[in-house]
Amino acid sequence: KAGVTQTPRYLIKTRGQQVTLSCSPISGHRSVSWYQQTPGQGLQFLFEYFSETQRNKGNFPGRFSGRQFSNSRSEMNVSTLELGDSALYLCASSLGPELVRDRGKLTGELFFGEGSRLTVL
Amino acid sequence: AQKITQTQPGMFVQEKEAVTLDCTYDTSDPSYGLFWYKQPSSGEMIFLIYQGSYDQQNATEGRYSLNFQKARKSANLVISASQLGDSAMYFCAMRELYTGRRALTFGSGTRLQVQP
Repeated sequence: KAGVTQTPRYLIKTRGQQVTLSCSPISGHRSVSWYQQTPGQGLQFLFEYFSETQRNKGNFPGRFSGRQFSNSRSEMNVSTLELGDSALYLCASSLGPELVRDRGKLTGELFFGEGSRLTVL
Repeated sequence: AQKITQTQPGMFVQEKEAVTLDCTYDTSDPSYGLFWYKQPSSGEMIFLIYQGSYDQQNATEGRYSLNFQKARKSANLVISASQLGDSAMYFCAMRELYTGRRALTFGSGTRLQVQP
């Protein structure tokens, strides 16, 4: 079964530009979350989508936005890029938003992609 | 607010030995889940093990076990019989279970290096 696929894997942009990152979840997964990873701030939650609706949002400025499509694929967009937006952007998918134990087996945990590494010059 | 603390920026271990990675947490929510993830140089976060706050037993998954001490708010990861492929960053994370705030809060990570 294919994992979470993120494109592009690497990209370089300049300040003021905008960028769109794409995430294809594991087949059958309907919940998608995005995280930003930087050396200074570590891993920080951006947003979570389920059934095309944003369910949770982290503490990021409005330049960061996202959406989810009917096939559960998700995109995130960052407008007016700043140097501090340089980071590894990780997408994660799960069957649904809730953690459930079914006969001892856990479902709902996050499965991450390899990330999109954005460099802003 | 939730907080995860990993006090070991880096750890070394000899191949085939066991190693414990420390994690302490802080939350006011009575229902929470604790996770450990491994991040190799490729960037992908690999789920290792989960412990629920109401689980009666410590979680185990193959060579991974979680030493959960609720009163001390610690959730240390124990890797038995270390392998060279275990060299990676390890992150402890938590989330609330029933409040709707499902985002993971991560610690700063521990870089584990397994030496032959």
